[in-house]
Amino acid sequence: EVQLVESGGALVLPGGSLRLSCSASGFTFSSYAMHWVRQAPGKGLQYVSTITSNGGITYYADSVKGRFTVSRDNSMDTLYLHMSSLRPNDTAVYFCAGGSGSYVYWGQGTLVTVSS
Amino acid sequence: EIVLTQSPGTLSLSPGEGATLSCRASQSLSSRYLAWYQQRPGQAPRLVIFGASNRAPGIPDRFSGSGSGTDYTLTISRLEPEDFAVYYCQQYVTSVRTFGPGTKVDVK
Repeated sequence: EVQLVESGGALVLPGGSLRLSCSASGFTFSSYAMHWVRQAPGKGLQYVSTITSNGGITYYADSVKGRFTVSRDNSMDTLYLHMSSLRPNDTAVYFCAGGSGSYVYWGQGTLVTVSS
Repeated sequence: EIVLTQSPGTLSLSPGEGATLSCRASQSLSSRYLAWYQQRPGQAPRLVIFGASNRAPGIPDRFSGSGSGTDYTLTISRLEPEDFAVYYCQQYVTSVRTFGPGTKVDVK
């Protein structure tokens, strides 16, 4: 059974930092591009970031570029998102997703709240 | 950035009725790199259609996708209770993928 399990969500002060993790199982993690997608409370899905299967190339939405860094450890089947200079409008559930085209696999999400 | 618009914003229908959801892209999507996702309340999204018209594994055949260029459609032939949800389209032509704002299908 395919599983993606996110962790690391928390309440953080504006300007703070946080690292999210996504642990994968049930599929060949190293063969797939991986992605982060977020959803603000009551809002739609927003693309955040992508990392290629070998970690060599990364992409970011303009809204997070320069503040967020995506990485992966294929030996540990784990995806990461390091977030810094957090803003209140970064408040959202963050989902990890896997797929080299469309997003075949999804985690259940982890909540990040940026508030003073 | 490719912008996706979806219509209608909300579709109010009864179980057993058919649903037609639209997604329009700001520029043509080569190779029809368009996907549809279903999201039920409190759940993660689930892939329904990829490549504009291919059903994902486990998706019932009452779901179908069509379209090309800038205009795409998701059709649900006979709504079952579990189909009432929000549906998002997504383009994966560009490395920075984008989602549409969603269409909510709710019970009339």
